[in-house]
Amino acid sequence: ETGVTQSPTHLIKTRGQQVTLRCSSQSGHNTVSWYQQALGQGPQFIFQYYREEENGRGNFPPRFSGLQFPNYSSELNVNALELDDSALYLCASSLRAGGADTQYFGPGTRLTVL
Amino acid sequence: KQEVTQIPAALSVPEGENLVLNCSFTDSAIYNLQWFRQDPGKGLTSLLLIQSSQREQTSGRLNASLDKSSGRSTLYIAASQPGDSATYLCAVPRIKAAGNKLTFGGGTRVLVKP
Repeated sequence: ETGVTQSPTHLIKTRGQQVTLRCSSQSGHNTVSWYQQALGQGPQFIFQYYREEENGRGNFPPRFSGLQFPNYSSELNVNALELDDSALYLCASSLRAGGADTQYFGPGTRLTVL
Repeated sequence: KQEVTQIPAALSVPEGENLVLNCSFTDSAIYNLQWFRQDPGKGLTSLLLIQSSQREQTSGRLNASLDKSSGRSTLYIAASQPGDSATYLCAVPRIKAAGNKLTFGGGTRVLVKP
């Protein structure tokens, strides 16, 4: 158990809809990162938030957006869902945004877009 | 741009045999390298983290080595058991970027047969 939780566990949406995924970090962790993992592939970095500000973004379009709240929770929002957005979405928290800090992963949210 | 490769993509061994999993990365300017285990449809469990100044790290039956100059890491699992069946992923913090955002390999799917 990493102390990082995600909700919901599974989600089914249709193309064009919007979705919000939630993550609760370990207490005291100021940094949260989101990753997308397509079936059979390694996770791909979406973006990172540090102290409620975006701190870097991967190669994902603006319809992927996020929020981080003072209570160590965060959200990933995806607008205008596409079939290729079907994946396991993972969040990871760490104490700081520094390169040496270990990230602790949640169990993920499985999103299916029909 | 950092690229991480894991070969082989899949591996099947009889119980008791030692496992050797390989990870290579293109840029040696890394903070650390982390090995994860992922069970089907689940999140990531951190196995070992090797700092860039270290050559190896051990935990129980697991031993990971790191050769930064050649851009390689190897995870050894001694005396494999059916419970070791999972996908193993290596990851490095993205280089020349603030923070600890990870670049993952594609993973090696391991099956240990009783």
